[in-house]
Amino acid sequence: AQKITQTQPGMFVQEKEAVTLDCTYDTSDQSYGLFWYKQPSSGEMIFLIYQGSYDEQNATEGRYSLNFQKARKSANLVISASQLGDSAMYFCAMREGIGNQFYFGTGTSLTVIP
Amino acid sequence: DTAVSQTPKYLVTQMGNDKSIKCEQNLGHDTMYWYKQDSKKFLKIMFSYNNKELIINETVPNRFSPKSPDKAHLNLHINSLELGDSAVYFCASSQDLHPANEQYFGPGTRLTVT
Repeated sequence: AQKITQTQPGMFVQEKEAVTLDCTYDTSDQSYGLFWYKQPSSGEMIFLIYQGSYDEQNATEGRYSLNFQKARKSANLVISASQLGDSAMYFCAMREGIGNQFYFGTGTSLTVIP
Repeated sequence: DTAVSQTPKYLVTQMGNDKSIKCEQNLGHDTMYWYKQDSKKFLKIMFSYNNKELIINETVPNRFSPKSPDKAHLNLHINSLELGDSAVYFCASSQDLHPANEQYFGPGTRLTVT
């Protein structure tokens, strides 16, 4: 089974609108971390936001928030007030327990339309 | 001050050659990784070192050999390069193995094998 599933290969959003990028995960660990990374066309991987499995509140970082629904095992990224510079690939990732490994999803390509 | 640096950024070489990619992190992290990102943007972990010890060795041809001379460095040597090795290789580091710790990525090395 896939550890991380991102079902949206491509998304479009109008500038200044909000957009939700979906991510579901699969783990039997009680302790895990969920991460989102952004990869612009320049290629670098930029860490955006983290959510711990024991965190009761959804994580927020500026215009990024993580909609964490533990029972559904989902960790969707919400970008508010989209900007042209948000156009990029977005990867959801998970680390389990005292984990050696990060599991990455296949990514969602977001295009912001002016 | 680059946190995770890789050299070279671009590498073009012929089939059958041997090449190395160097990675250094100045964050004082204990854990370092090598990833391969293929043309479809899929990120696959190759190796992980914690305190200079190999802890993840995914199914990677043994033509690929990592070497960690100290905690701040993790180099990747590739023997007998093949066309299928063409990809972007990312080095990353994290503070340790705790699930809350995100990975910091290097800028990537684009390897093209002709």
